[in-house]
Amino acid sequence: EVQLEQSGAEVKKPGESLKISCRGSGYSFTTYWIAWVRQMPGKGLEWMGIIYPGDSDVRYSPSFQGQVTISADKSISTAYLQWSSLKASDTAIYYCARPSAYSSSSPFDYWGQGTLVTVSS
Amino acid sequence: SYVLTQPPSVSVAPGKTASITCGGDNIGGKNVHWYQQRPGQAPVVVIYYDSDRPSGIPERISGSNSGNTATLTISRVEAGDEADYYCQVWDSTSDHRIFGGGTRLTVL
Repeated sequence: EVQLEQSGAEVKKPGESLKISCRGSGYSFTTYWIAWVRQMPGKGLEWMGIIYPGDSDVRYSPSFQGQVTISADKSISTAYLQWSSLKASDTAIYYCARPSAYSSSSPFDYWGQGTLVTVSS
Repeated sequence: SYVLTQPPSVSVAPGKTASITCGGDNIGGKNVHWYQQRPGQAPVVVIYYDSDRPSGIPERISGSNSGNTATLTISRVEAGDEADYYCQVWDSTSDHRIFGGGTRLTVL
C-alpha cells in the first residue's frame, strides 16, 4: 500500500528555521516525483514545487522560489520542505503529494495527511 | 503565467445536478484533474485526465473538457458531496502544476 507519512505539527517563532518531512512507503521512492502543496487557513491549494528523488531534480513555483528549499534523502525514502527564516505568513497546512506517474501531466493520486505549521510570536 | 478560474461557490439541492467550471486559456488542450477536499482532510482525486474516474468514485461524478472550460458534474447530489473542489493542470510552457482557486459545493 502506497503511503506518504508526514511529520507532526510545528509551532515556531518568526525568524526561526524549520524542516518538515514526508516519508514514502509501499512503492519505489526514487521513481516518482514528490510535490509540496500549501494551504493557508481557509484558502485554496497552491503548488509549491516538486522533486524527483532519483536524481534530486527540483522545480519551484515562481511564488516560492527562494522562499523554501525542497530536498530528498532517497536512502530513507524521505522528502523535505525547509525554511531558513519563517514568517507569520508561512502559517499553513503543507501537504506532500505523489503523481501517479513520471509524466508531468499526471494527477496527484496519493497525498500525505498534511503538516500544520504555525508561526507566531 | 497560466491561470485557472473557478467560481468560489456553487449551491445545489439534494438530488439535483451540480456543475463546477474551471476556465483557462485553451484548457481543452490540457489534461485536467479534479480533487475533492472535505473539511479537515487531504484532497482526493475524483476525476483525472478530463473524464476518467479512479476506482471507488461513483459514476454520478463526471468530467468534460473543451475549448476554454473544463467542467466537473455531480449528478444526484448527496449531502456527502459537500466539499471544496479544485481543478489542476500541468502548464507545459512553465513546466509548473497549477491549481484553480477552488469551489465550495454547498448542498442545500
